[in-house]
Amino acid sequence: DTAVSQTPKYLVTQMGNDKSIKCEQNLGHDTMYWYKQDSKKFLKIMFSYNNKELIINETVPNRFSPKSPDKAHLNLHINSLELGDSAVYFCASSQDFKGLTDTQYFGPGTRLTVL
Amino acid sequence: AQTVTQSQPEMSVQEAETVTLSCTYDTSESNYYLFWYKQPPSRQMILVIRQEAYKQQNATENRFSVNFQKAAKSFSLKISDSQLGDTAMYFCAFSKNTGNQFYFGTGTSLTVIP
Repeated sequence: DTAVSQTPKYLVTQMGNDKSIKCEQNLGHDTMYWYKQDSKKFLKIMFSYNNKELIINETVPNRFSPKSPDKAHLNLHINSLELGDSAVYFCASSQDFKGLTDTQYFGPGTRLTVL
Repeated sequence: AQTVTQSQPEMSVQEAETVTLSCTYDTSESNYYLFWYKQPPSRQMILVIRQEAYKQQNATENRFSVNFQKAAKSFSLKISDSQLGDTAMYFCAFSKNTGNQFYFGTGTSLTVIP
């Protein structure tokens, strides 16, 4: 069974479009994340949600908006896509123990290409 | 601020040999977790090994082991009997005790040569 799933795996779109990436975890975790991995493989956190509440919101353009309908889902909406948004986006989840964030489980990634 | 540094952008090793990937971190926290993640060409992020800072014993997982030096803030990964399937990008990561925050290093690209 897939622990953290993302759809779609590949997304090719035109500049200016609005797109969404979905993420679901079946691990019962309380915390979910979105990361962006650029062309140099650098992983940068974008958002973190704990029990549907926004915990971390790094310096990310307002065009990016996470939405968590329940604690098993964290979707990423991107408006007015730009060329620089091309990257691989990873969803992850973790269970926190006594305030410590333990192992993060990653989805397979979504390769977004903006033309 | 927490930082994680991987000073080796690329490394290679002969199949069946041993290789060590280095990682240093900076934190004022006393309790935290450290991780090594592997990202093969399939780009899936896979947990390799984790270490709890309060445990002095180094973590091991089959052919993978760490050398955790808390005072030196060093967390290196040793891969024994390297296999072709170990070819991947390896990321060191740090998790502190508040804020649900993970900090990743910039990665080391490891190539196992047949």
